[in-house]
Amino acid sequence: GENVEQHPSTLSVQEGDSAVIKCTYSDSASNYFPWYKQELGKGPQLIIDIRSNVGEKKDQRIAVTLNKTAKHFSLHITETQPEDSAVYFCAATPSGAGSYQLTFGKGTKLSVIP
Amino acid sequence: DAGVIQSPRHEVTEMGQEVTLRCKLISGHNSLFWYRQTMMRGLELLIYFNNNVPIDDSGMPEDRFSAKMPNASFSTLKIQPSEPRDSAVYFCASSQRGVITDTQYFGPGTRLTVL
Repeated sequence: GENVEQHPSTLSVQEGDSAVIKCTYSDSASNYFPWYKQELGKGPQLIIDIRSNVGEKKDQRIAVTLNKTAKHFSLHITETQPEDSAVYFCAATPSGAGSYQLTFGKGTKLSVIP
Repeated sequence: DAGVIQSPRHEVTEMGQEVTLRCKLISGHNSLFWYRQTMMRGLELLIYFNNNVPIDDSGMPEDRFSAKMPNASFSTLKIQPSEPRDSAVYFCASSQRGVITDTQYFGPGTRLTVL
């Protein structure tokens, strides 16, 4: 089955700086890679996703890059703000017919220092 | 829309007691996922329903765990008897069709503590 490794486990940045979180996956058949943000006391919330037919996707201050050859993908947050402080999870899965199970990384706790 | 609703938000019980966690799906969604979150193991899928039918329960730890969908909008996860190692945050999530690229909307979770 799929195995997803996520690094770092904790990350502290100054407000306004950039943050980068990296994930690697093992199953070369995986082609759907979502990122979730979990705020304290809440459930995870999808913030961005990417499919393997593209190498990069942006949404305002958030971007995700994918390197299928190396089997790794990254989340980039620019101009960080205190409200970006949360735990971020990456996930990977094949998206073929009947596929429904996301394999999650262990999470990265991001702290943005004002 | 109110989003996915879970109850109770917190549950403290003693070992051996029965625990029932509840989940209300987003209206119009036909797929339901139950997850367990712990520091050691992260987010794990316990069971997946599509159109009220359990499709994959391979993540259910053991026979002490059971899940049902008595109707299209509601699900329960029951642990009987509960054990201290069941302490975790339990999330349910729903999606529109169950296709993996459909967004899964998570509820706020139930924090379970078994003493």
